[in-house]
Formats: sequence, C-alpha cells, structure tokens
Amino acid sequence: GESVGLHLPTLSVQEGDNSIINCAYSNSASDYFIWYKQESGKGPQFIIDIRSNMDKRQGQRVTVLLNKTVKHLSLQIAATQPGDSAVYFCAETPSGYALNFGKGTSLLVTP
Amino acid sequence: NAGVMQNPRHLVRRRGQEARLRCSPMKGHSHVYWYRQLPEEGLKFMVYLQKENIIDESGMPKERFSAEFPKEGPSILRIQQVVRGDSAAYFCASSRGNRDNEQFFGPGTRLTVL
Repeated sequence: GESVGLHLPTLSVQEGDNSIINCAYSNSASDYFIWYKQESGKGPQFIIDIRSNMDKRQGQRVTVLLNKTVKHLSLQIAATQPGDSAVYFCAETPSGYALNFGKGTSLLVTP
Repeated sequence: NAGVMQNPRHLVRRRGQEARLRCSPMKGHSHVYWYRQLPEEGLKFMVYLQKENIIDESGMPKERFSAEFPKEGPSILRIQQVVRGDSAAYFCASSRGNRDNEQFFGPGTRLTVL
C-alpha cells in the first residue's frame, strides 16, 4: 500500500549547525503534511504543517519544503540546539483526518 | 488549558487479561484519535471518534479491540484478552475540528503484556 517513508534513520549534527530531515511520500491524494517531534517517553509534538498548495512554510527556526513533483518533504532546523535532539516524524493525511506517520529520523545534537 | 490527558501512563497486564486505556481530550475538542506505536516505529492510526460516534475504525483490529467516546467522560480504548503482541505505546490525540485540524497528542499509555 501507499506509505510515508524517511530517507535516513539517524542524523547527527553539531550544535549550531543547520539540520535537514527528509521524507518521501507516495500517496498522491495527500494534501496536508505535518512534522512532529517526539522526545523519549512523550507524545508527538506538532512542529509545523504545510498544505499542498504551498511549497514552503517557515516557523521559528524551522522551515518545511514540499516538492509535489517528486513527492518529497523536508524539515530544516536552523542553528540546531541540544533541545532539538528527538525523533522527527513526517505525517500525511490522505483521508483528511487520520495521520499516516513515517518511521522517524532520530536527530542527535552534539556539543 | 490542560493538554490531552491519558491514564494510566504505564499498564502491565498478563496474557488473557483486559486493558482499559483512558483519554480526556483538550477542552473544546470533540474529535479523538487513537494511535499505536511499536518500538522504533511511527504511530499507526487505529480509530477516530466523535462524541458517541465511531467515525473510522479501519486501523483497529477486528477482534478484541474496541473504542468508545461517550457523551460524558473520557474516551476508552479497550483491549480484551491481551496478548504479548499488544505491548506498545498507545497515544490519544484530539482536535477541534476534523479535516486537516492540528491534532494534539497526549503522553501515551505504555502497555506491557507479560
């Protein structure tokens, strides 16, 4: 079946560097995408979302890019901090409500 | 404004027992979603409920699993005759509306079946 997948399972960056986490999706019916951050022992926390009529959206230190042509989503984190260490999930909503999560990328920020 | 509440946070059951997981949505939210997360995997959608209605249970196993969201009180995810494969983290989320509305997640219930 169609699914959401991530290119890299782990990513290690130095504090202060920029981080880029990638995600591929295959459900062409999806028109809404979200990035979540999950710290150990906690529930997912919303970071940023983007609709299919946009190709870029910026938040505080985070930017999401959407390339519908190749069905690719990325999350950019500027000036990565130790508190950014977590697992990051992209999710799509082909049904409009049920979130379809990828497997996650573990981001480790080293001092 | 309290977030999504789930209890218990940790639940241990022996095979064959029943597990009841509770979720209280955020104030003002009438849409509840349950997800299951296996170790080192993403969350998998199980069921979507509104007050007194199951909207979509396509992600929930047909046997032993049931969910409800009564007019009063929390949403309940019930697992009968638990097996070891049911061990997972179960997350509840709530939203104000349905389509493309931000879902706020609770801290999860970690179920361990011995």
